[in-house]
Amino acid sequence: GAGVSQSPSNKVTEKGKDVELRCDPISGHTALYWYRQSLGQGLEFLIYFQGNSAPDKSGLPSDRFSAERTGGSVSTLTIQRTQQEDSAVYLCASSLGGVTVGQFFGPGTRLTVL
Amino acid sequence: SQQGEEDPQALSIQEGENATMNCSYKTSINNLQWYRQNSGRGLVHLILIRSNEREKHSGRLRVTLDTSKKSSSLLITASRAADTASYFCATENSGGSNYKLTFGKGTLLTVNP
Repeated sequence: GAGVSQSPSNKVTEKGKDVELRCDPISGHTALYWYRQSLGQGLEFLIYFQGNSAPDKSGLPSDRFSAERTGGSVSTLTIQRTQQEDSAVYLCASSLGGVTVGQFFGPGTRLTVL
Repeated sequence: SQQGEEDPQALSIQEGENATMNCSYKTSINNLQWYRQNSGRGLVHLILIRSNEREKHSGRLRVTLDTSKKSSSLLITASRAADTASYFCATENSGGSNYKLTFGKGTLLTVNP
């Protein structure tokens, strides 16, 4: 596709359940980022993938959060044992990486933990 | 802590007027970027200004950067109702990994027809 896509667009889950969020970056973009945005707030960096390098996980808020990127393309963000404070919009972005250019964002997944 | 801090938090203007939003940051940067977000979903990259640049234009957008004051401004000229959105500044900090962006909390711009 032409842009970054994310699925699902909305996810409602019960506290304690695990969720998986998917991101399809722009073809050819080697860098992929996950951010979290709580209501009325800016974006909070979660994790960064660049090519085959080890990901930068410094922004993950707890060990319940993990992410992987298969084949240098699609990425999955997994949240285990979800809590109500995990409710937010999760945004994925990709870029050419290694070049100082803007990031291209997907439409986000709105996660609601009841 | 927040690197970029936008002000005002909210701005309401009439169509045709100019809108100015400001961003301040704390540390040295490689570049500063402005993004737009509609309805709390995906962000759209508007413009990037490097630390050695002072002013940049793109269509109706004008961005300035003052590294001595650690501040930037985004000017939207001849605003339209379709410009209604949240605008975020983001900094790519120098001295570390040159990929991570730190976002402010944004300015909500409302352009009234």
